[in-house]
Amino acid sequence: EDQVTQSPEALRLQEGESSSLNCSYTVSGLRGLFWYRQDPGKGPEFLFTLYSAGEEKEKERLKATLTKKESFLHITAPKPEDSATYLCAVGVGGATNKLIFGTGTLLAVQP
Amino acid sequence: EAQVTQNPRYLITVTGKKLTVTCSQNMNHEYMSWYRQDPGLGLRQIYYSMNVEVTDKGDVPEGYKVSRKEKRNFPLILESPSPNQTSLYFCASSFASGARYEQYFGPGTRLTVT
Repeated sequence: EDQVTQSPEALRLQEGESSSLNCSYTVSGLRGLFWYRQDPGKGPEFLFTLYSAGEEKEKERLKATLTKKESFLHITAPKPEDSATYLCAVGVGGATNKLIFGTGTLLAVQP
Repeated sequence: EAQVTQNPRYLITVTGKKLTVTCSQNMNHEYMSWYRQDPGLGLRQIYYSMNVEVTDKGDVPEGYKVSRKEKRNFPLILESPSPNQTSLYFCASSFASGARYEQYFGPGTRLTVT
């Protein structure tokens, strides 16, 4: 069964304290791994797509990496405005459009 | 401004009263999807569409219908809503081009069925 698991469920950091979020997956035929940010009461905001093991992408303080079994979202020197829920999803099957989401990591960055 | 819009944003209804949630995108994307988000379960795909008149079931399609008569619109229809369909619903549109795939979500519709 296709499955996406994110850890930890919640993470509290001090401003400037770097850390990583994990997304592990078991899918038959990965068609991309996606990271999103979701603020309370809003729709998920697209961050990155990764397609193959070894691929890395960066955006400001965020860096996403991918292996054959998991992805990491590294947050370097976070700021309070980075506080949000971070969602991971995998594209499966014959159509990339079908996504399976993890339940997310709630990140709180304290000043 | 490129965006996905949904209406209504909030809806309270009663069991069995048919309703439609509209979704529209202005990015000329071929792919569109509907998701529901529930605490502890995350986002689950209800239906998706790869183009006009082409739709397919996601993971939780029971109790829902969709149609794609125009490229920009993808309404979600609940013919006979039940309380277990109380949820936060998101519409999304996406494009895939070569190595790029990006999906954009609407602001959400919070539905309560009593």
